[in-house]
Amino acid sequence: DAGVTQSPTHLIKTRGQQVTLRCSPKSGHDTVSWYQQALGQGPQFIFQYYEEEERQRGNFPDRFSGHQFPNYSSELNVNALLLGDSALYLCASSLDQEDNEQFFGPGTRLTVL
Amino acid sequence: KNQVEQSPQSLIILEGKNCTLQCNYTVSPFSNLRWYKQDTGRGPVSLTIMTFSENTKSNGRYTATLDADTKQSSLHITASQLSDSASYICVVSANNQGGKLIFGQGTELSVKP
Repeated sequence: DAGVTQSPTHLIKTRGQQVTLRCSPKSGHDTVSWYQQALGQGPQFIFQYYEEEERQRGNFPDRFSGHQFPNYSSELNVNALLLGDSALYLCASSLDQEDNEQFFGPGTRLTVL
Repeated sequence: KNQVEQSPQSLIILEGKNCTLQCNYTVSPFSNLRWYKQDTGRGPVSLTIMTFSENTKSNGRYTATLDADTKQSSLHITASQLSDSASYICVVSANNQGGKLIFGQGTELSVKP
């Protein structure tokens, strides 16, 4: 039974570019949440997807957008990258929207130069 | 405001020694509290989860306590090993947050030989 998977593992972009990160939830899970974790900090909630719609959103600008597909996998898109977007991006999945037993993926390390 | 505060920010101990990490929260209404272990550059892995009615939970050498009255939790690590070196994050969820987790900033533990 595969856990949460994320791709790519590492990514290097330059300011102004756009990036897409991908996440496949744990088998049987239909809710995906995305987090940004800056170095030395705890994860910050970006948004949560359930039934292919964004259900909750943290304090992140519209440059951060997402999508959930019918197979429950999800993408995180960041436009007009800033240096401050450099972070570890974590995806977590749960059984449903109300279940907060979240399982985390290994993360994608994004570096913006 | 829902907040989770952890102390100390960092800790260095010798292999074989015990240590205790602290977590104070102001999340309301409280649903559950988790301790996660996060290795550098990896996703968090759940160690323990406690609901309002539980005041202690063990997972091997890790023992978590919860005092819902004072809104405090601790994570005690016994007979530390080099592999315990990681960030330990306290995470609290509220009943009305629809699965949204509130993270502490983490305690960085370094176990030295």
